[in-house]
Amino acid sequence: QLQLQESGPGLVKPSETLSLTCTVSGASISSISYYWGWIRQPPGKGLEWIGTIYYTGSTYYNPSLKSRVTIYVDTSKNQFSLKLSSVTAADTAVYYCARHVSSSWYLGFDYWGQGTLVTVSS
Amino acid sequence: QSALTQPASVSGSPGQSITISCTGTSTDVGTYDLVSWYQQHPGKAPKFMIYEGSKRPSGVSNRFSGSKSGNTASLTISGLQAEDEADYYCCSYAGSSTWVFGGGTKLTVL
Repeated sequence: QLQLQESGPGLVKPSETLSLTCTVSGASISSISYYWGWIRQPPGKGLEWIGTIYYTGSTYYNPSLKSRVTIYVDTSKNQFSLKLSSVTAADTAVYYCARHVSSSWYLGFDYWGQGTLVTVSS
Repeated sequence: QSALTQPASVSGSPGQSITISCTGTSTDVGTYDLVSWYQQHPGKAPKFMIYEGSKRPSGVSNRFSGSKSGNTASLTISGLQAEDEADYYCCSYAGSSTWVFGGGTKLTVL
C-alpha cells in the first residue's frame, strides 16, 4: 500500500527558507511510472499546485512560485523534497505531497500524504 | 494561470442530486479533457474521485459522476448521503506541464 509522509519544521520565520521532505513507502520513487508533486492549502482556502518532479530530477513548477521553489529527489532514501525561499505569512499553509496517477501524470493526483501545517511567523 | 472558478457552497437534502460547476478557460478546461475532482473532509487529505472529466477510480461510488461542456466541468452527486458532506475541488491540466485547482465548494447535506 503506497504511503506518503511529509516532514519538516512547523514554524518558519519570514524571509527564511521553508524545507519539507516527503518519504514514500510501498513504491519506488524511481519507478518510471510515477511523477511526484507538492500541493499546498492556506488555512480555510483552496488547493494550489506548487510543482512536480520525476525521479530523473526533471522538475515542473507553478509559474507564480517558480522563482522561489526548488524540488529535488533523493532516490537512495525514497524521498523528494521542497524548498520555498523568502517566505512570508502568505506561505502559511498545509503542505501536501502527492503522487500523479501512474497511467498518465496528466490525470491528476491519486495518492496524498496527510499534510503538514507550516506557519510563517517571527 | 488563474484558479478555476467554483461556487463557494452548494446544499441538498439526503437522496437528492447536486451539481458543482468548475469554470476555467480555453487554455485549461476548454482545451484538455483532463479535469479531476477531489473530496476533502475537514482535517483530511483530498481524495481522488474523478479523472479525465468523467471516469471513476476503483472504489469510488457510482453516485459520483462528471461531465464537461466548453470551459466548464461539472461534478454531480446523486442519492446524496450525509457522508458526502465535504469540500470538493476540481483540478485541470493547464498545458506546459502545469496544473490548476479550483477554489473549492463546500457541500452541505441538509
